[in-house]
Amino acid sequence: DAGVIQSPRHEVTEMGQEVTLRCKPISGHNSLFWYRQTMMRGLELLIYFNNNVPIDDSGMPEDRFSAKMPNASFSTLKIQPSEPRDSAVYFCASSSQISGNTIYFGEGSWLTVV
Amino acid sequence: KQEVTQIPAALSVPEGENLVLNCSFTDSAIYNLQWFRQDPGKGLTSLLLIQSSQREQTSGRLNASLDKSSGRSTLYIAASQPGDSATYLCAVESNSGYALNFGKGTSLLVTP
Repeated sequence: DAGVIQSPRHEVTEMGQEVTLRCKPISGHNSLFWYRQTMMRGLELLIYFNNNVPIDDSGMPEDRFSAKMPNASFSTLKIQPSEPRDSAVYFCASSSQISGNTIYFGEGSWLTVV
Repeated sequence: KQEVTQIPAALSVPEGENLVLNCSFTDSAIYNLQWFRQDPGKGLTSLLLIQSSQREQTSGRLNASLDKSSGRSTLYIAASQPGDSATYLCAVESNSGYALNFGKGTSLLVTP
């Protein structure tokens, strides 16, 4: 299996622009997570999907952030408008009971907002 | 809210030493605990998962223990190698939830 696939790997954008991050979970996994990692705050959960349904989005920082999972093999995290404080590494991860609840992470999307 | 703390924040050891990384958590009502490795510029790789009913898990030179009542876990690395250099993160899944609460990690450097 190719693992969790994220794109883009790196993005530099100007403040105010829209940013869309993409994720393809491992086939057969029914749980999908978006995390954000910064030096100051470490890894924080932004949103959790189960069977394509958003279960907990309490970690989404504000209305500028939105996430969708239109089907079992694709999810997006959108920031509009982006701000410099959104600069971070955004990780997508997936898991399932089949995997023994072991969570598998993608390589991350490194976002810089200037 | 579950708080996960890892000590030390950074550690440097010579090759061949055995070492212990520590993780503590505030709420003992956990579902499982996982240890991850993160290399620079990379994602996280799961090393060991300990279910709440288990006391330890082993994989090769790695051994992780769990003491729920005291809210502690340790990751023991035997005969460390330079290739073990990475950041090690501990994460806890609580009974009441599904998401992992992460510590900030221990940055390990093993020198030749």
